[in-house]
Amino acid sequence: EADIYQTPRYLVIGTGKKITLECSQTMGHDKMYWYQQDPGMELHLIHYSYGVNSTEKGDLSSESTVSRIRTEHFPLTLESARPSHTSQYLCASSLWADEQFFGPGTRLTVL
Amino acid sequence: RKEVEQDPGPFNVPEGATVAFNCTYSNSASQSFFWYRQDCRKEPKLLMSVYSSGNEDGRFTAQLNRASQYISLLIRDSKLSDSATYLCVVRAYSGGGADGLTFGKGTHLIIQP
Repeated sequence: EADIYQTPRYLVIGTGKKITLECSQTMGHDKMYWYQQDPGMELHLIHYSYGVNSTEKGDLSSESTVSRIRTEHFPLTLESARPSHTSQYLCASSLWADEQFFGPGTRLTVL
Repeated sequence: RKEVEQDPGPFNVPEGATVAFNCTYSNSASQSFFWYRQDCRKEPKLLMSVYSSGNEDGRFTAQLNRASQYISLLIRDSKLSDSATYLCVVRAYSGGGADGLTFGKGTHLIIQP
């Protein structure tokens, strides 16, 4: 089993709240990723990092931001949540360019 | 045209049957190919990589056809536990971006008793 964790697993919040989705991995992977996935749809990359102090935006435009201060930690923040942010957010990490290990995901609902 | 296309299904297949599905990709520079499995409301997990020569892992066989730009997954003697969504993943690393991985929408497989 992959050692990558996400909290919270489920989050229901009101519009305008600031939220941070946590992602941690204990595998020492330099590469980490955030994906967004709506039900029945494909994963879309929203952020990635190749190491400490490295962050880049992915293919899908997102109002969220990320930080990478420690190798094992890659949190995602939404400054002001809106109903359009309702989705599943999946964090992943990899050692090389191939296999990515995914966390269990955070299901976010913004009312 | 989407970069990675899959028939979403669902494929309803009796237990013990053989099932196969394909995935087509549009970027001829694609270098690596994978099948991931995603159970309902769970995270994706790597099922197998797809090599140019094809590869087999137990009941699962993956094939790559570069000329026609598609990969396939064959499942023999299907089990109830094979019910899941199978994601086709393609990598076209161009020196920039997050390793160039593109995920398909997935093919939903339901094995029926």
